[in-house]
Amino acid sequence: GENVEQHPSTLSVQEGDSAVIKCTYSDSASNYFPWYKQELGKGPQLIIDIRSNVGEKKDQRIAVTLNKTAKHFSLHITETQPEDSAVYFCAAKDTGFQKLVFGTGTRLLVSP
Amino acid sequence: EPEVTQTPSHQVTQMGQEVILRCVPISNHLYFYWYRQILGQKVEFLVSFYNNEISEKSEIFDDQFSVERPDGSNFTLKIRSTKLEDSAMYFCASGGGAGGNNSPLHFGNGTRLTVT
Repeated sequence: GENVEQHPSTLSVQEGDSAVIKCTYSDSASNYFPWYKQELGKGPQLIIDIRSNVGEKKDQRIAVTLNKTAKHFSLHITETQPEDSAVYFCAAKDTGFQKLVFGTGTRLLVSP
Repeated sequence: EPEVTQTPSHQVTQMGQEVILRCVPISNHLYFYWYRQILGQKVEFLVSFYNNEISEKSEIFDDQFSVERPDGSNFTLKIRSTKLEDSAMYFCASGGGAGGNNSPLHFGNGTRLTVT
């Protein structure tokens, strides 16, 4: 089955810096890759997603890139703010199946 | 913006007791899911539900677990005889509609289950 690896496990940046979180997946059939932000005591909140027919997607300060050949995808957050501090999870899904397989999470800390 | 709601937010139960976790998915969604997250670990898939039946389940979802959509709005997860290792956050999610099972999943804020 699908296996998703995520790095780093923790990431500390200064406010205004960029943050990059990387994930790799194992199943070449996976074609949907969402990113979730989880704040303390809350459920995962979808922040951006990408499908395998595109290589990059951007939404304001957040962007995701996908390299299907290498089977990896990354989340880029520019101009980080303290409110970006949270745990970020990547995930992968195959259209033939319904379940999302999550990465192990990255705790992002943005210091003012 | 529509959201997935879950009740209760925290459930404490004794080992061997039955618990029912409740969820109200987003109203026009057709696919429903339960995930769980043991403290500090990643989110794990339990089960997906579509057209009033289970469409996929993980190895975690054994005979002690069941799901039900008793009416047009609620989606429940029942654990018949809880074990200590069932202690976790349980998240309900929904998706679908026009996008089918490729639509983004939206998660509730979870129920923290503590088994003592």
